[in-house]
Amino acid sequence: EVQLEQSGAEVKKPGESLRISCKASGYTFTNYWIGWVRQRPGKGLEWMGIIFPGDSDTRYSPSFQGQVTISADKSINTAYLQWHSLKASDTAVYYCARRVTLFGAANTKIYYFDYWGQGTLVTVSS
Amino acid sequence: SYDLTQPPSVSVSPGQTASIICSGIKLGDKYASWYQQQPGQSPVLVIYQDNKRPSGIPERFSGSNSGNTATLTISGTQAMDEADYYCQTWDSTTGHEELVVFGGGTKLTVL
Repeated sequence: EVQLEQSGAEVKKPGESLRISCKASGYTFTNYWIGWVRQRPGKGLEWMGIIFPGDSDTRYSPSFQGQVTISADKSINTAYLQWHSLKASDTAVYYCARRVTLFGAANTKIYYFDYWGQGTLVTVSS
Repeated sequence: SYDLTQPPSVSVSPGQTASIICSGIKLGDKYASWYQQQPGQSPVLVIYQDNKRPSGIPERFSGSNSGNTATLTISGTQAMDEADYYCQTWDSTTGHEELVVFGGGTKLTVL
């Protein structure tokens, strides 16, 4: 059974650093991209970035480039999302999700997220 | 950047058909996915590749995608279907094929 188990809720102060984790099980970790998605309170889903654990190839949404760091440790099947200096506006639930890649008509790529973690609530407050 | 637009809310009576639309320029040239999110829960994939249902998703969920609009249709809507729904595709207009795009979400109310 595929599972993505995320680390627990965090309460931090502005300016502090933080790393949250997403541990994968039930499939070959290095064969699928893992993405991170932010959901601020009462708001929609925002895609932050994605990593391929096989070779650590990483892509970021322009909105999050330079704001966070995505990494992975394939020896322990775990992906990470890291901040160096948190802001109050980083308060949100963060989800990791496994991305599937298929090929459709005319070799068009098909991307979707088939399994999601339970989410990690990050609260940043002074 | 590529944008997907959804209506903020849709209402439907139990047993009726609910349609949730997702609009984007030439969205029909891409593939759309749909996610259901119950309050306090993680999103769940309900439609991928425009019209395919993952294992375990009821047959009353269906999807289509043509022109500038993708549509999620829920036939015989049940109270348990009340949730937020998000469409998703990706942006390849800048050559960055890996840029995922979510719609703003639609709150489905069953009343």
